[in-house]
Amino acid sequence: NAGVTQTPKFQVLKTGQSMTLQCAQDMNHEYMSWYRQDPGMGLRLIHYSVGAGITDQGEVPNGYNVSRSTTEDFPLRLLSAAPSQTSVYFCASSNSIGGLGGRKGADTQYFGPGTRLTVL
Amino acid sequence: GEDVEQSLFLSVREGDSSVINCTYTDSSSTYLYWYKQEPGAGLQLLTYIFSNMDMKQDQRLTVLLNKKDKHLSLRIADTQTGDSAIYFCADINTDKLIFGTGTRLQVFP
Repeated sequence: NAGVTQTPKFQVLKTGQSMTLQCAQDMNHEYMSWYRQDPGMGLRLIHYSVGAGITDQGEVPNGYNVSRSTTEDFPLRLLSAAPSQTSVYFCASSNSIGGLGGRKGADTQYFGPGTRLTVL
Repeated sequence: GEDVEQSLFLSVREGDSSVINCTYTDSSSTYLYWYKQEPGAGLQLLTYIFSNMDMKQDQRLTVLLNKKDKHLSLRIADTQTGDSAIYFCADINTDKLIFGTGTRLQVFP
């Protein structure tokens, strides 16, 4: 299993450009999410999905779109990049979150290696 | 909304114990988590505790939960240089994980 993969690892954009950050998992997980990590602010949830065809907004969704056409893939789209979107982006997947899936304990949330995005 | 807070930095000597603290606001939390992030990498789940427990021990890690004060701590015994990382506590709010700001643990010889 490759786990959670993200591409690209690094990206530099100009203000106003659009791009898609790719995320894929091969563990057949239902739950996938996108976070951004900024210094001194921890991880903030952008969007998440509890299954194919279902997405919902997190804490900081503005400026980002997602779709979940398959269980494996969960791309994050920046429609018109802004310098405030300079950050490290992490994709994560799990079978469920905590006891919501009725499973024992906490299902591990697997994180991808991250994409470092700079918007000039 | 739900808030999870941590101090930003902790510095300890190799061999000493480290205690990383976290406070949260959601009184209906079911699980609370500790994640570790090494430089340039994603987060890895270290351990978790169910809300009806006060303490959980896992090798060098001890998690203490004070539900009354909404306080969570992670103790690392015999801290090693390989423990240097950022540690995040996280709380479940409905179906979303809410992360703290992270505590950067620096271990010096």
